[in-house]
Amino acid sequence: KNQVEQSPQSLIILEGKNCTLQCNYTVSPFSNLRWYKQDTGRGPVSLTIMTFSENTKSNGRYTATLDADTKQSSLHITASQLSDSASYICVVSAETPLVFGKGTRLSVIA
Amino acid sequence: DVKVTQSSRYLVKRTGEKVFLECVQDMDHENMFWYRQDPGLGLRLIYFSYDVKMKEKGDIPEGYSVSREKKERFSLILESASTNQTSMYLCASSHRVQRRRNYEQYFGPGTRLTVT
Repeated sequence: KNQVEQSPQSLIILEGKNCTLQCNYTVSPFSNLRWYKQDTGRGPVSLTIMTFSENTKSNGRYTATLDADTKQSSLHITASQLSDSASYICVVSAETPLVFGKGTRLSVIA
Repeated sequence: DVKVTQSSRYLVKRTGEKVFLECVQDMDHENMFWYRQDPGLGLRLIYFSYDVKMKEKGDIPEGYSVSREKKERFSLILESASTNQTSMYLCASSHRVQRRRNYEQYFGPGTRLTVT
């Protein structure tokens, strides 16, 4: 069964600190992996999208990695800001439709 | 910029009412999707559409129907709203899948529906 598991479920960090969110998937065949950021009460917004051949992609302070052999991805946030407080959703594409993780709820506190 | 708009941000309806949620996209996308999002369950696909007048069931279609009469517009219909349909509803759109490449899905802002 195609599944995407994210950890941790929730995370609280101090402003300015770094953090890493994890995503493990069992989706086949694999096409690409995306990370979305969803602010409370808003729709998800894409941060990165990686294909099978890419193992790192950055978007400002966000860096996503992909290990297609172990079927793992991580999202690293550097020098966190209060505005990073949101849910981060890992989404894996086989064929349409997409397979969504349940998200990690990140809270950045001052 | 891609824009996906939804007819309402917040909606309160009574049990048994017929509810229409509308979604419009302005990027000439072939694919459109309706999801619901609940705490602890993540996003779940209700229905999607590859083209005008085409529809496919997602993971949880029971209690819902959809309509796509025009390419830019995709409507979700709750024939007889029930309290367990209280949720956040998200619409998304994308270009058609080509050669196993899933194009970016763009999401609307969501509609928070409460059924009392």
